[in-house]
Amino acid sequence: DAGVIQSPRHEVTEMGQEVTLRCKPISGHNSLFWYRQTMMRGLELLIYFNNNVPIDDSGMPEDRFSAKMPNASFSTLKIQPSEPRDSAVYFCASSGQGANSPLHFGNGTRLTVT
Amino acid sequence: QKEVEQDPGPLSVPEGAIVSLNCTYSNSAFQYFMWYRQYSRKGPELLMYTYSSGNKEDGRFTAQVDKSSKYISLFIRDSQPSDSATYLCAIPSVNFNKFYFGSGTKLNVKP
Repeated sequence: DAGVIQSPRHEVTEMGQEVTLRCKPISGHNSLFWYRQTMMRGLELLIYFNNNVPIDDSGMPEDRFSAKMPNASFSTLKIQPSEPRDSAVYFCASSGQGANSPLHFGNGTRLTVT
Repeated sequence: QKEVEQDPGPLSVPEGAIVSLNCTYSNSAFQYFMWYRQYSRKGPELLMYTYSSGNKEDGRFTAQVDKSSKYISLFIRDSQPSDSATYLCAIPSVNFNKFYFGSGTKLNVKP
């Protein structure tokens, strides 16, 4: 089991640039979550997909943020244009088809916007 | 009121100490309770997963749930330097489409 795979591990970009974060969930998992973690706010849910369909995007902070899941094995989170306050660690997590399945996290993408 | 509140720490203890980490929650309908451990620059990993009230033990770790008080705890016996990490409590919504996380308690076990 390869676990949830995220890329890149680190991203440094300038304000105004587009940023794309990538996630490959665990094979067979049908739910995918994007979280953002900061010291000030902890873990915040951004968006949740079930069977590749966005179910709850109420945590997406602004229209600058968008997420897609074109198939069961890939998801992207895009920020355009990026701002310094977007600097954080972004985690992708997936959970399985069984009822009451816990979340399995990737190791995150550390984003720095200068 | 937040769904889950966690003692913020940080917590620093000597090796071998018993550690107690705690969270409270607001919704009496919650049934499942989890603890995640997060090492520096890593993602959270599931440590303990319990259902309803009572205790669950796994090696040096014991998860305790008191539904009457809406209080959950994680105890670590004989703490080791390798236990140094941030511990987050997590509670899923009834239909598991949201997971409410505590803010995390950073634990440092000194050799």
